[in-house]
Amino acid sequence: GAVVSQHPSWVICKSGTSVKIECRSLDFQATTMFWYRQFPKQSLMLMATSNEGSKATYEQGVEKDKFLINHASLTLSTLTVTSAHPEDSSFYICSARIGDGNQPQHFGDGTRLSIL
Amino acid sequence: DAKTTQPNSMESNEEEPVHLPCNHSTISGTDYIHWYRQLPSQGPEYVIHGLTSNVNNRMASLAIAEDRKSSTLILHRATLRDAAVYYCILKVWGNKLTFGTGTQLKVEL
Repeated sequence: GAVVSQHPSWVICKSGTSVKIECRSLDFQATTMFWYRQFPKQSLMLMATSNEGSKATYEQGVEKDKFLINHASLTLSTLTVTSAHPEDSSFYICSARIGDGNQPQHFGDGTRLSIL
Repeated sequence: DAKTTQPNSMESNEEEPVHLPCNHSTISGTDYIHWYRQLPSQGPEYVIHGLTSNVNNRMASLAIAEDRKSSTLILHRATLRDAAVYYCILKVWGNKLTFGTGTQLKVEL
């Protein structure tokens, strides 16, 4: 149980285009979803936290106009990287949590984004 | 949330137990100790968490020192599939998971 599906697994696109990444909780309803970014050989960095039906809370230094997060339902959150540039190339990972603040977070398998 | 200190890397032989240490000398009374692991090119996976008492589940055991300033994740029989980066994270109820650099576990035949 507690499966999080992330799509696509990898994407390559030209500089200047926008890319949407989907995160779905398949067998549970996620109260809260999180988006992380991971550069090669580095740890995960939290980008934003989103609760269904409300605006996402972004971490310091993360541009909310560049990384648009929509959490329209209890099973779906999307991250759109707008006007992507090569420096946005990274491994993007979402996670979802059931219920209260001490439940485990369940992670997707990540999306490898390469901007040419 | 308080910080943790873990060794950068550890090695183990297959089918032997592995003890992964974590120091958290500034832990507060409300910090839970969480362990996640990340296999190559995958998202992290929840392993175990606890507050004061030792915890066991199908994946691992968590031994927490009496003063809570350190803890140890125990894999009872390491397999090649356990090779991953293991993260020890302190988290107050409701707060975010903040990942450090973790311990790279290498498992050899």
